[in-house]
Amino acid sequence: DIQMTQSPSTLSASVGDRVTITCRASQSISSWLAWYQQKPGKAPKLLIYKASSLESGVPSRFSGSGSGTEFTLTISSLQPDDFVSYYCQQYNSYPWTFGQGTKVEIK
Amino acid sequence: QVTLRESGPALVKPTQTLTLTCTFSGFSLSTSGMCVSWIRQPPGKALEWLALIDWDDDKYYSTSLKTRLTISKDTSKNQVVLTMTNMDPVDTAMYYCARTAQRGFDYWGQGTLVTVSS
Repeated sequence: DIQMTQSPSTLSASVGDRVTITCRASQSISSWLAWYQQKPGKAPKLLIYKASSLESGVPSRFSGSGSGTEFTLTISSLQPDDFVSYYCQQYNSYPWTFGQGTKVEIK
Repeated sequence: QVTLRESGPALVKPTQTLTLTCTFSGFSLSTSGMCVSWIRQPPGKALEWLALIDWDDDKYYSTSLKTRLTISKDTSKNQVVLTMTNMDPVDTAMYYCARTAQRGFDYWGQGTLVTVSS
């Protein structure tokens, strides 16, 4: 199975900060990576697919980059609504796998 | 408008078999490239992918759970069913179904909480 490792597990930041979350795959997944945002008590929401493609309706402050084994999700200017959890997920090969998540907290 | 809704028991006893149904609308699982997955999330923990069924009736499972899982579809009813045998308290989680068309899970159900307890 492909292991997905996110870092950091927790990130403390302030409104307006630029933040980056990293996701590393245990083997190459090309660009078959998605990023999700999850608010407490809600289902995850797709933000980015194919490593860098922005899902329709998602604010442009979210961006993704990377290929192979290393990927990043960047939020260019944190908004109050962004202090929640984020997950990466590979869909290069079965079984599909998620990262362990990153919680973005208010500093 | 795409929607998915999970249904099933809220409480199951240890060793019992769990059956969950995902009823969807707004797309057809017979369309090439379309797939439905089950994903779970124990309280306070990370998402875990469980299984996927595609438009061609191919099925894929989590390595650690594949001996306990069966996924199936009824295209005429727009439903996907997941069964999980030999339930244990560690299987207590929110269970989600989600659609994917090879660009991540773009639509999710609201989830159904399953508690395993005697």
